[in-house]
Amino acid sequence: AQSVTQPDIHITVSEGASLELRCNYSYGATPYLFWYVQSPGQGLQLLLKYFSGDTLVQGIKGFEAEFKRSQSSFNLRKPSVHWSDAAEYFCAVGGASGTYKYIFGTGTRLKVLA
Amino acid sequence: GAGVSQTPSNKVTEKGKYVELRCDPISGHTALYWYRQSLGQGPEFLIYFQGTGAADDSGLPNDRFFAVRPEGSVSTLKIQRTERGDSAVYLCASSLIGTGDEQFFGPGTRLTVL
Repeated sequence: AQSVTQPDIHITVSEGASLELRCNYSYGATPYLFWYVQSPGQGLQLLLKYFSGDTLVQGIKGFEAEFKRSQSSFNLRKPSVHWSDAAEYFCAVGGASGTYKYIFGTGTRLKVLA
Repeated sequence: GAGVSQTPSNKVTEKGKYVELRCDPISGHTALYWYRQSLGQGPEFLIYFQGTGAADDSGLPNDRFFAVRPEGSVSTLKIQRTERGDSAVYLCASSLIGTGDEQFFGPGTRLTVL
């Protein structure tokens, strides 16, 4: 079955500290992978996506993610967190050609301490 | 250009009532999707339109839910005989072609059933 697991429901980091949010997926074909951020009352904003090619993907707001096929993971990282990064982060997997559904994880809520 | 818009942003209704939620996709996008996000969860797929037709409605929870896209642009999600369990944020997304391309999400409609 296709699924996405975000094992950390909540994460708290201090401003300026590094961040890594974990995402593991189960998917039968070559996946397209996404990270979205959702601030309270806001829609989903795409941070970055992996379709193919270089497994280290750069996104907006200083985020990056690394696709590791052998570990079925797509972890999100940021070297130095800002207070404005406090939000909920969702990992999603979608299919290559022929599929269209996104399957989302349950999200990781990030709290940033000043 | 404008992004995906959804109206209303908030809808409060009483159990048993009928509601309509509207989605305006990005101009030129042929594919449109509805997702439902319950509290503390990631978005879950409801239905996918390619043009005017519902290509996949397998995510609709039951026959109280129905969606249309009569002219291949605006879509309306209709919920009959609402129940308290229908309370959620309903997200709409659109994409250019529908398979293997990026989905752009609207801000959502928060539905509360009293």
